[in-house]
Amino acid sequence: EPEVTQTPSHQVTQMGQEVILRCVPISNHLYFYWYRQILGQKVEFLVSFYNNEISEKSEIFDDQFSVERPDGSNFTLKIRSTKLEDSAMYFCASSGAGGGNTIYFGEGSWLTVV
Amino acid sequence: KQEVTQIPAALSVPEGENLVLNCSFTDSAIYNLQWFRQDPGKGLTSLLLIQSSQREQTSGRLNASLDKSSGRSTLYIAASQPGDSATYLCAANTYSGGGADGLTFGKGTHLIIQP
Repeated sequence: EPEVTQTPSHQVTQMGQEVILRCVPISNHLYFYWYRQILGQKVEFLVSFYNNEISEKSEIFDDQFSVERPDGSNFTLKIRSTKLEDSAMYFCASSGAGGGNTIYFGEGSWLTVV
Repeated sequence: KQEVTQIPAALSVPEGENLVLNCSFTDSAIYNLQWFRQDPGKGLTSLLLIQSSQREQTSGRLNASLDKSSGRSTLYIAASQPGDSATYLCAANTYSGGGADGLTFGKGTHLIIQP
């Protein structure tokens, strides 16, 4: 069964460093998303991406964050100058259409900022 | 702004029981509602998707219902098994015209099925 894959599964980084989290969405999907889950808290929407541009973003997704689809298969989340409070599980997701289809999630990338 | 609430926060029942998990949402302008399962330290597994025009969806021992007018959804699990132990998340996909809107999640119900 097709799945969303994410790398790395776990990354530890120094505060202030840049981090890139990578995702390979399901191959025929058109909509891509990043979510995060701080330990013990709700899963929170960060950004959605369609047709090579951001479709929607939350208040969390500020100038520190950026997304890119550098080629036909990868979808990346870049966090510039990481802060302690960026420590969280970051989930990539994809769907075949925007509003009506099931959104499929990857296993997550656990980011620890020290 | 959409808010999703799940009750109870935790539930522990003996194996074999039928159980109901509750989800409520404040904005009824939703595309759909999805139920997910999350195992500790893992990703989210989609269980059921109910479109806004539907009343319920079934998959195996799971049945999810949706009442848009009252802002409620329930997940019914029949004949529970220890392998059903996980956190169950409800998420509303709210229409805002953009077509690729993010899901709004509840905090989840942490379910333990005792063997």
